[in-house]
Amino acid sequence: AQTVTQSQPEMSVQEAETVTLSCTYDTSESDYYLFWYKQPPSRQMILVIRQEAYKQQNATENRFSVNFQKAAKSFSLKISDSQLGDAAMYFCAYEANSNYQLIWGAGTKLIIKP
Amino acid sequence: SAVISQKPSRDICQRGTSLTIQCQVDSQVTMMFWYRQQPGQSLTLIATANQGSEATYESGFVIDKFPISRPNLTFSTLTVSNMSPEDSSIYLCSVTGQGGTDTQYFGPGTRLTVL
Repeated sequence: AQTVTQSQPEMSVQEAETVTLSCTYDTSESDYYLFWYKQPPSRQMILVIRQEAYKQQNATENRFSVNFQKAAKSFSLKISDSQLGDAAMYFCAYEANSNYQLIWGAGTKLIIKP
Repeated sequence: SAVISQKPSRDICQRGTSLTIQCQVDSQVTMMFWYRQQPGQSLTLIATANQGSEATYESGFVIDKFPISRPNLTFSTLTVSNMSPEDSSIYLCSVTGQGGTDTQYFGPGTRLTVL
């Protein structure tokens, strides 16, 4: 069975600094998708970034980028120039290409220090 | 991405009663899902809402407790029946199938408190 592990329950970073959130997963599939979602206190789950496993190039979205290491089954999220609005729970999720079910990590609470 | 709305945004209910949560999308989508997020936890999939047929429930969730409707490609409801304090959670709907991708986009969630 597929699993997703986020080993950092909480992380803190100084405003304007860079922080990396870790995610590892386990799967026997070769074709899948990986996601980072952000959930601020408003509770809305917001897509941050999406990575297709067949793409070697790491996905980027403005200040957000991933380090996708397929062989190591690692999918970390780097947030550059951290802003106060980045404070939220961040969830890593896996989806096999064969179905739409998302497998979720436990989440990492990101605190931004002004 | 589509605009997804949920009603109500929050509610406080008495045990033994039922609450119906609505999820509305501003464009047709392929698939709609209902999740539960218990306090301090990650998301758990309750069921996939199928248009024109019975929902597909995940292990541990049953139709009698969580009846779901999906009358068309833009709307779904989830009812939480015979509520107990253990049902206090955030309930979220998500959709996929827009623009040919399978990325799930989420509604704003419904915060339910059962007394």
